Formats: sequence, C-alpha cells, structure tokens
Amino acid sequence: EAQVTQNPRYLITVTGKKLTVTCSQNMNHEYMSWYRQDPGLGLRQIYYSMNVEVTDKGDVPEGYKVSRKEKRNFPLILESPSPNQTSLYFCASSGEQGLVGYTFGSGTRLTVV
Amino acid sequence: DAKTTQPPSMDCAEGRAANLPCNHSTISGNEYVYWYRQIHSQGPQYIIHGLKNNETNEMASLIITEDRKSSTLILPHATLRDTAVYYCIVRVSYGQNFVFGPGTRLSVLP
Repeated sequence: EAQVTQNPRYLITVTGKKLTVTCSQNMNHEYMSWYRQDPGLGLRQIYYSMNVEVTDKGDVPEGYKVSRKEKRNFPLILESPSPNQTSLYFCASSGEQGLVGYTFGSGTRLTVV
Repeated sequence: DAKTTQPPSMDCAEGRAANLPCNHSTISGNEYVYWYRQIHSQGPQYIIHGLKNNETNEMASLIITEDRKSSTLILPHATLRDTAVYYCIVRVSYGQNFVFGPGTRLSVLP
C-alpha cells in the first residue's frame, strides 16, 4: 500500500532532550515536506526537500533540522525541544516534483514539558 | 496574504450534493487550484486539482469559472464520512509551499 509512515504517533518529552521524528515513504517520491498544525494557526510548513541532499526552509524552520540522505526518508530533528514546539506534526510526500497532490502521514502528536 | 476565501462552515444533508465554494480573485494564469480535506486530526487528504478545465475523479468534481476567479468543489452524494475541514489552495508550480488557510468545516447531517 502506498503510504507515508511517521513514527512515533505520540511522544511526550522534556525540554532540551534531543528527539527525532521519522518519516518514510514507499512511493519513490522526490518531494517531501514537514508541517506543524496548531489551533488557530492552521498548517504551517517547516522544511521541504526537492530530492536527496536538497532541503530548504519553509515558513517556520526555527528550532528544527532535517536531512535527506535517502529518497524514502526525511527525518525531523529537534536538537533542543521547547514547550512552544508542542504541536501536531505531519510529513508529506509528492511525486512529479510536487506538482500533484501531497500524500500525508498520520501525524505525530508531540508534547514538550 | 490570503490567496483564497472560503466560508468558515457549511452543512449538508446526507445523500445530497455538497457544493463548497472558493474565491481566488487574484489567481495568476499559471496557478492551479487544489482541494484537500482533513478529517478530525488525521493527515490532510488530497482530493483534486485543476488549472482551468473542470475536473472529475472518483472523489469529487471541481468546477472552475471561466475567469478562474472562483471554483466549486462538488461531492455528489455526501456521506457522514465526508464531515471534515476542506481546504482550497492556489499554487503556482512544483516546489512551492502549499499554504493551508482555515478552510470550510463541512458537517454532513443525517
């Protein structure tokens, strides 16, 4: 089944403890992206990647890092999480250089205390 | 700057057609119209997109006016499972961010 898989689905962590949210797609898509969703602010793009080793900042990149060493994986790294990074995170991928619609993962609900 | 305007909420009776409007009066000639929906806190789901011709797929139909300043997403026979927030987005080309606005909260009523 074609899908975008995020792990973990739920995570509670403490301020300053480095964490990684993994994202993997099995559709051989070039384009991948991370969004966060907050009440009243909607979905906002954090980072995106056009292909392997090509990444760029979205609208809210502060406090996040990404890497794209393989086509299928696009992990989101929080080096020193803070409570304002408590959010619902979505990974998405798309073929045809992002022109067609994205396929989104099921989400990761992160709480930083 | 908001590129699209959608009503915040709509109701539709189960089994009837749901017609969701979107205003994009400043759309450029090379911008596509995309529709997504999000059911509760699940990941958004791509529905359909188009440039200037009407489009139809297994989920919905997209009607774009001749001047391209507005469009309508049609769910022909709405079911309770179609209750969701529907997002209308305009975007120029690949590599561009999808900017999700507040969308329209559609409630399908039994």
